[in-house]
Amino acid sequence: GAVVSQHPSRVICKSGTSVKIECRSLDFQATTMFWYRQFPKQSLMLMATSNEGSKATYEQGVEKDKFLINHASLTLSTLTVTSAHPEDSSFYICSASPGTDTQYFGPGTRLTVL
Amino acid sequence: GENVEQHPSTLSVQEGDSAVIKCTYSDSASNYFPWYKQELGKRPQLIIDIRSNVGEKKDQRIAVTLNKTAKHFSLHITETQPEDSAVYFCAASQGGKLIFGQGTELSVKP
Repeated sequence: GAVVSQHPSRVICKSGTSVKIECRSLDFQATTMFWYRQFPKQSLMLMATSNEGSKATYEQGVEKDKFLINHASLTLSTLTVTSAHPEDSSFYICSASPGTDTQYFGPGTRLTVL
Repeated sequence: GENVEQHPSTLSVQEGDSAVIKCTYSDSASNYFPWYKQELGKRPQLIIDIRSNVGEKKDQRIAVTLNKTAKHFSLHITETQPEDSAVYFCAASQGGKLIFGQGTELSVKP
């Protein structure tokens, strides 16, 4: 149990375009979902926390207008990277929590912006 | 806010030896401390966790210890195997939000 999926797994886009990443909890309801980014050989950096039906809470330094988060249901959250630039290239990982401390991670999305 | 420091950044051991990774945290309000294993290009996988009301927890070859007074916790892996090679992250949780350490790249040589 506690499976989290993410789509797409890889995306390559041109600079200036927007990219949407979906995160789904497949077998449980996620009261809270989290979005992280991870650069090569670095740790996971929390970008934002989202609760179903309410606005996401962004970490300091993360631009909310650039990284749009929507948590439309208890099983789906989306992250849209707007007007992507090469410096946005990274590994984006979501996690979902069923209301406990435990977070279950998605497989990640490798974004490359040309 | 919470800050988590993890050491060492790299660790190389011979197969069968033990490996120890240590973390310290800054916020005494943190009450949940998970450890994740991440293989290259894959998702972090929870391997063990401990809550602040417990001092030690063991699961087969893996154990975690917590010293609340000193605000540090450690991961112990015994009888290491090549498949234990990966990056390990500790984390501290405050109100559901995880703050991660910098990671330890463990290499187990056959």
